[in-house]
Amino acid sequence: AQSVTQLDSHVSVSEGTPVLLRCNYSSSYSPSLFWYVQHPNKGLQLLLKYTSAATLVKGINGFEAEFKKSETSFHLTKPSAHMSDAAEYFCVVKGEGYSTLTFGKGTMLLVSP
Amino acid sequence: DAGVIQSPRHEVTEMGQEVTLRCKPISGHNSLFWYRQTMMRGLELLIYFNNNVPIDDSGMPEDRFSAKMPNASFSTLKIQPSEPRDSAVYFCASSRTGVMFTGELFFGEGSRLTVL
Repeated sequence: AQSVTQLDSHVSVSEGTPVLLRCNYSSSYSPSLFWYVQHPNKGLQLLLKYTSAATLVKGINGFEAEFKKSETSFHLTKPSAHMSDAAEYFCVVKGEGYSTLTFGKGTMLLVSP
Repeated sequence: DAGVIQSPRHEVTEMGQEVTLRCKPISGHNSLFWYRQTMMRGLELLIYFNNNVPIDDSGMPEDRFSAKMPNASFSTLKIQPSEPRDSAVYFCASSRTGVMFTGELFFGEGSRLTVL
């Protein structure tokens, strides 16, 4: 069985400052990990994925995440927030088979001018 | 390219009525997933299909819910009779799966259901 914990339900930043969204995972084997983003009234969109290649993964819109096995973490970062980054972000872990995508509860990112 | 298309985008109905939600997956995708999103429970997988065949419906809440995929380009999720606790946003997602499922899903914009 696998699980993810998103450590913050809300994160507030100012435009131009760094973004850090935290995610810890639990998995009985080498996991695949993902970050999805959901803008208001939209469906979820894949931001980036880790599948046991490079531990630092680059995604769209300047986001990146680092897989740290020793810390069981997969935190999402961006050097400089933009107003358009305001959205809800979901950390996701994949288990074996087709249906075992486990979504975190989500972190709402608020960006102020 | 057209993404996953869901209809209706919004549905308001009264308790006891039948609700049908529709989904057209991305052409060429052979897996289709129905999710439900609520504030309390987050995102829950209801059912998924592979090559039009239901593979896992263990997430379907109860017998009031049913889903069909008569062909590769269309799926429905039906609730009969509907109850206020069914109020949620229902998402359809599709994926291209070969030897294995990579975890990349393409989501529609959702159907927001309100049951009064």
